[in-house]
Amino acid sequence: ELKVEQNPLFLSMQEGKNYTIYCNYSTTSDRLYWYRQDPGKSLESLFVLLSNGAVKQEGRLMASLDTKARLSTLHITAAVHDLSATYFCAVVPTGNQFYFGTGTSLTVIP
Amino acid sequence: DTEVTQTPKHLVMGMTNKKSLKCEQHMGHRAMYWYKQKAKKPPELMFVYSYEKLSINESVPSRFSPECPNSSLLNLHLHALQPEDSALYLCASSLRLAGVYEQYFGPGTRLTVT
Repeated sequence: ELKVEQNPLFLSMQEGKNYTIYCNYSTTSDRLYWYRQDPGKSLESLFVLLSNGAVKQEGRLMASLDTKARLSTLHITAAVHDLSATYFCAVVPTGNQFYFGTGTSLTVIP
Repeated sequence: DTEVTQTPKHLVMGMTNKKSLKCEQHMGHRAMYWYKQKAKKPPELMFVYSYEKLSINESVPSRFSPECPNSSLLNLHLHALQPEDSALYLCASSLRLAGVYEQYFGPGTRLTVT
């Protein structure tokens, strides 16, 4: 059974601090997606990581992929309140079927 | 036009009702998806249509019936639902570019079954 697990599930962090969200998956996938979801809203694509060692950055978020370890990280630098949301990773091991991670609910507090 | 639209935004239905959810995209994407999302959980894949043919059905109960009348439109017909079917229903479409799928989500339909 394919598993995509995120750690932590819940994260409360202070503004200005750094933290990393982890995404582990149990099957071969050389592509990894990160999405953001605000409460009551749909999913917004953040990053698509295409190969081993890929790193992408947008503002205070940086994502990386290690396909050998089946691990992706989403690093948050100097958190601000606007980053409060739920973050999902997703893998696509075959075809066009997306498997989503368990999600990380992030709250940034002043 | 780079969006996926869904109607209605909200739907309340009784267990004996029949209703339909609608999803539309005009980006030329040839794969379309239905997901169900419960509160504080990840989206669960229900159905995938590729080139207007049902390619994946994730063992969804028959009270949910998908339909893809053309390449831009995806429907989800609902009949005799249960209260536990209350959820956010998300539609998505995807484009394959250089071997990579990029998925675009609609805003969702919030369904409540009474």
